[in-house]
Amino acid sequence: AQSVAQPEDQVNVAEGNPLTVKCTYSVSGNPYLFWYVQYPNRGLQFLLKYITGDNLVKGSYGFEAEFNKSQTSFHLKKPSALVSDSALYFCAVVGSGNTGKLIFGQGTTLQVKP
Amino acid sequence: DADVTQTPRNRITKTGKRIMLECSQTKGHDRMYWYRQDPGLGLRLIYYSFDVKDINKGEISDGYSVSRQAQAKFSLSLESAIPNQTALYFCATSDLFQETQYFGPGTRLLVL
Repeated sequence: AQSVAQPEDQVNVAEGNPLTVKCTYSVSGNPYLFWYVQYPNRGLQFLLKYITGDNLVKGSYGFEAEFNKSQTSFHLKKPSALVSDSALYFCAVVGSGNTGKLIFGQGTTLQVKP
Repeated sequence: DADVTQTPRNRITKTGKRIMLECSQTKGHDRMYWYRQDPGLGLRLIYYSFDVKDINKGEISDGYSVSRQAQAKFSLSLESAIPNQTALYFCATSDLFQETQYFGPGTRLLVL
């Protein structure tokens, strides 16, 4: 069965420091991996995705993520956090044989303190 | 995303009532989805539709039904609402060749 795990319910970082939000996955076939962000009282916004190619993917708002096949991970990173990055972040995966059926992690709340 | 709209944005209803949530999109996408979000559980897929004549059950379809009235419209119905259907509901769309899904602003539903 396909699954996504985000092991941290909350991540706290100081503004200006690097941030990492962790994601691991289990899927049959080649994974398509996504990160979404949800601001309070808003829908989910697409940040970035990995389909194929370079393992380091760059996305919106200075975020990037690294696909690691051997560790089945797709951690979200940003070199310098902003207070405005505080939000709920979701990792999602779809297996290549299950097109359209995104499986989401439970979400990680990122809190960036001034 | 303003290209995907949901109505109503908030709804309070009583146990046993029928309720419909509506989703419209102007992105021209063929695929549409309904999810519910519960704290600590992420988003779970209720139903999805790959075109007007194609409807599929998702992970948690019991107690829900859907209608795809047109390419741009996908409605979710709760025939007899119950309190554990209290949640935030999202509609999403994607096109045939991209797996990226685009979400509406959500409908917050409270069943008393």
